[in-house]
Amino acid sequence: QKEVEQNSGPLSVPEGAIASLNCTYSDRGSQSFFWYRQYSGKSPELIMFIYSNGDKEDGRFTAQLNKASQYVSLLIRDSQPSDSATYLCAVRGGTSYGKLTFGQGTILTVHP
Amino acid sequence: DAGITQSPRYKITETGRQVTLMCHQTWSHSYMFWYRQDLGHGLRLIYYSAAADITDKGEVPDGYVVSRSKTENFPLTLESATRSQTSVYFCASSRQGVGQETQYFGPGTRLLVL
Repeated sequence: QKEVEQNSGPLSVPEGAIASLNCTYSDRGSQSFFWYRQYSGKSPELIMFIYSNGDKEDGRFTAQLNKASQYVSLLIRDSQPSDSATYLCAVRGGTSYGKLTFGQGTILTVHP
Repeated sequence: DAGITQSPRYKITETGRQVTLMCHQTWSHSYMFWYRQDLGHGLRLIYYSAAADITDKGEVPDGYVVSRSKTENFPLTLESATRSQTSVYFCASSRQGVGQETQYFGPGTRLLVL
């Protein structure tokens, strides 16, 4: 079992819809959770992080964390073609001080 | 403010040659990381450093050497390049401490080993 798993997609949604990206992790002691966006040919850039169970909202983005189910998700409301990218989930394990483990990423395509 | 930079951005080399990829950050971050990114494997950690003169192996360290004599620099050396080391290499840095683990990435180096 991979430490951090994501559906590689591609996930295709129409413009204006809600895109839902999911991530599961295996280390129950994981402390911190991150979502990065990576455009083709570019480096990953942070969208948001979440530490506590529940929802965290930042503009059109909402991260949801459920530690009991070892599940973290990212919702993108009012999806735009400019949101088309690969979304990487990253997790800091319970004993992985400073280190993050990345999922393989989900390719999102938002079509007009 | 340059942030985190990598050089060269593109490199073509031949099997068996030594190659050094440079990473420099201006934030005085404690942690620095080297990843490689390949299709089907995502980002894989090669080496990381918690501070100057402190380095440790990541998931795929074989064939790579790192050093960190200064906080701001973290070079990655391929001692004898192999074709399997053709990849995109990203350097990243972060602060130290709980709640400070956000990693900031450099622009990447695209390496082709012939």
